[in-house]
Order: sequence, then structure tokens, then C-alpha cells
Amino acid sequence: SQQGEEDPQALSIQEGENATMNCSYKTSINNLQWYRQNSGRGLVHLILIRSNEREKHSGRLRVTLDTSKKSSSLLITASRAADTASYFCYNFGNEKLTFGTGTRLTIIP
Amino acid sequence: EAQVTQNPRYLITVTGKKLTVTCSQNMNHEYMSWYRQDPGLGLRQIYYSMNVEVTDKGDVPEGYKVSRKEKRNFPLILESPSPNQTSLYFCASSSTTGGNEQFFGPGTRLTVL
Repeated sequence: SQQGEEDPQALSIQEGENATMNCSYKTSINNLQWYRQNSGRGLVHLILIRSNEREKHSGRLRVTLDTSKKSSSLLITASRAADTASYFCYNFGNEKLTFGTGTRLTIIP
Repeated sequence: EAQVTQNPRYLITVTGKKLTVTCSQNMNHEYMSWYRQDPGLGLRQIYYSMNVEVTDKGDVPEGYKVSRKEKRNFPLILESPSPNQTSLYFCASSSTTGGNEQFFGPGTRLTVL
């Protein structure tokens, strides 16, 4: 399977700090999406960045895409306790692509 | 409200007893898929469907069946469940073949004894 690799696997930061997580693929990146999952719940779509885009913003989220390095990063600024969750990237290249193991983010109040 | 529903949410069963997990979406989406989530392995796709009567295997299809007789429904069938199918299952749908946002159901936690 063309599974993405998120890095780091786990991240703990103080509330108010910024959190950065990365995602890389061995295959080319097309439409890359980031999702959030609160414990045991379904994934929620955060943002989509297309292969011809290099950076995209949505509220406190900033996503960058480097197609030459086949990688993307998600930055969450001014973190809040409610941001505690797992974050997954998803690269659409063919219908069988799947999610990675995710980054577990813990915000310490 | 646009949503994906799954039933049941929790299920404890025994080895070999056939079961079906239902999935329904009210967004007229063409693409639907099933995932299982296991600790340390992330989400892995079981089966997907690009439209009515069109289904295909994902990464881990062994031991599962699906059908897509109607656009809104995509049930997951375990003909003879085994303990290694104990997992958290998610159904998802999107308006196209997966390149757009996927909407996820709340999950079904299955335990096979």
C-alpha cells in the first residue's frame, strides 16, 4: 500500500505554542489532505492542498506542500487544549491509497 | 444534516457468527469505503466503491465482503468473523473517487471472542 508516514509519531506541547507535524510519501503527491481524529471518533477533514499549491491557510492551520520532496507539513498556531487529537495525512493517487499511522498531539494546559 | 451513519456502534460477537455492519450516507456521494483502525497500524482500507454495483478491494480485504446495491448504502459483511478482525471500523464517503474530502461515520467497535 502507498501509506504515508507522519512524523513525529507523538508530540506534546504547552498550550499556546505552535505544533508542526510532517507527512511524507514514497509516491508522487496529488491532492493531499489532512484529517483530525479525536479519541475513538471518526476522522474530520481539516484542509486539502492540491499538487499545484505550495501553501494554504485555514484559520490557525497552515499547510505546506513540497512535491519534489514528496512531503507536506501541518502547522497549528497558538495551540489550544481542544487541539489534542491524532492527525493524519492522506494522499490521493489512486483509490487504494490509505492513511498513515498519524501524529498524536497532546496540548498541555 | 449531512452525515454518514453506522450501525451498530458497538458489537461483541463470537467466532464464526456472521454479522453485518451497515453504513448509510445522505449526501448522494458516489464514493464509499470501509477502513479498519488498529493500534500502531493506522487506518487501512478494506473495500471501496466508486458507484452502485462497483466495488473493489483495498489493502486488507480478506475475511470481508461488501455490496453496493443502492447509492446511499454500503454494508460490510463478515461471513465468519475471527478474533483478528477485532478492530475499530469506519465507513467514509466522498463526492468523487477519493480526491475530495471524505466524510467519516462515527465508527463501529467490534470485538470477536
